[in-house]
Amino acid sequence: DIQMTQSPSTLSASVGDRVTITCRASQSINIWLAWYQQKPGRAPKFLIYKASSLEGGVPSRFSGSGSGTEFTLTISSLQPDDFATYYCQQYKSYPYSFGQGTKLEIK
Amino acid sequence: EVQLVDSGGDLVQPGGSLRLSCTASGFTVSSNYMNWVRQAPGRGLEWVSVIYGGSVTTYYADSVKGRFTISRDNSKNTLYLQMESLRAEDTAVYYCARALPFGGYLDYWGQGTLVTVSS
Repeated sequence: DIQMTQSPSTLSASVGDRVTITCRASQSINIWLAWYQQKPGRAPKFLIYKASSLEGGVPSRFSGSGSGTEFTLTISSLQPDDFATYYCQQYKSYPYSFGQGTKLEIK
Repeated sequence: EVQLVDSGGDLVQPGGSLRLSCTASGFTVSSNYMNWVRQAPGRGLEWVSVIYGGSVTTYYADSVKGRFTISRDNSKNTLYLQMESLRAEDTAVYYCARALPFGGYLDYWGQGTLVTVSS
């Protein structure tokens, strides 16, 4: 099974900051990686697929990169609505797996 | 508009059974890969199961294999998760989620339904 590890677990930042979240896979997953945003009490929201392709309607301040085992999610200029928990997910093989999450909080 | 509505969550005793439902609108469940994902209180996301569109191919997480069964009713455009031999560690919010054929990423999610396993 493929293990996904995110860092950091918590990230404190301010509105307007540029932030980066890292996701590492225990083996190569090529570009078969997605990112999700989740707010308390809500279902996850799909953001990015194939490591760097932005889902329609997602603001362009979100971007993803990487391939193989190391990936990043970058938010170029944080907005108040972006404070949430972010998860990566591999879909190269079953069982699918998620990272443990990165909580982005207001500094 | 694509919409998924999860239902069926409840308080159940250890060893008990429960069936969750996910009713879809705006698309056909039989043409997509339908998944269940769960989230224990205060924890992260855990993928549970998938059923392929157009076939009976299914996959399960090791933690539920042999106890949970995923299925769908095409006439009702509804996905199900039959859960047996429930344990305290199955306590979670259960979400259904759609993946496009050969996609793998989960583009639409239900609102979730809470399953609590406790005596």
